Amino acid sequence: GAVVSQHPSWVICKSGTSVKIECRSLDFQATTMFWYRQFPKQSLMLMATSNEGSKATYEQGVEKDKFLINHASLTLSTLTVTSAHPEDSSFYICSAGQGADYEQYFGPGTRLTVT
Amino acid sequence: DAKTTQPPSMDCAEGRAANLPCNHSTISGNEYVYWYRQIHSQGPQYIIHGLKNNETNEMASLIITEDRKSSTLILPHATLRDTAVYYCIVRVLGNNDMRFGAGTRLTVKP
Repeated sequence: GAVVSQHPSWVICKSGTSVKIECRSLDFQATTMFWYRQFPKQSLMLMATSNEGSKATYEQGVEKDKFLINHASLTLSTLTVTSAHPEDSSFYICSAGQGADYEQYFGPGTRLTVT
Repeated sequence: DAKTTQPPSMDCAEGRAANLPCNHSTISGNEYVYWYRQIHSQGPQYIIHGLKNNETNEMASLIITEDRKSSTLILPHATLRDTAVYYCIVRVLGNNDMRFGAGTRLTVKP
């Protein structure tokens, strides 16, 4: 099956710094990728849709200047959390579609802790 | 997208069938029913999807009622590794996002 990877799998950073998370589709091309955030004991919440070669589409309430998304190629999307604060600590997950049914394949997630 | 309703939690004995229900009474004619699961601290894993016919694969079976207002995911012989949160999602086909509800936390007990 299709594989989506994320790097890093976990990261700890200090408040005020920026953190970049990579999402890669390893064996297929993805013109669209999706970024989700999940707080403890809660469900996944869609943050934004990442489109190759164009600007990302953000969900209501998600600050686009804080969560910078770049979809540089058909296999790579990055999420940069700028000026991170403790409340940004969360589990960030990406996904990409593949195949005629556009099944969504999810990455393993990145756990961000801001101290 | 239509919303879904699932019980918050269920228990199942190891080796027995786990039947997870999902209500989607406002589903549209072109919306499919998808099931994913999420094991603790991992990304969601695709299980199965269907439109109106029952579906079966190596992981599970999906039973969709004739009026399509509800469905049941069946894990025929649950193991301890099936302990996870199971999400039922309805969506149209296409390269679009998944909208997750609260899901059902299934605990398989020895």
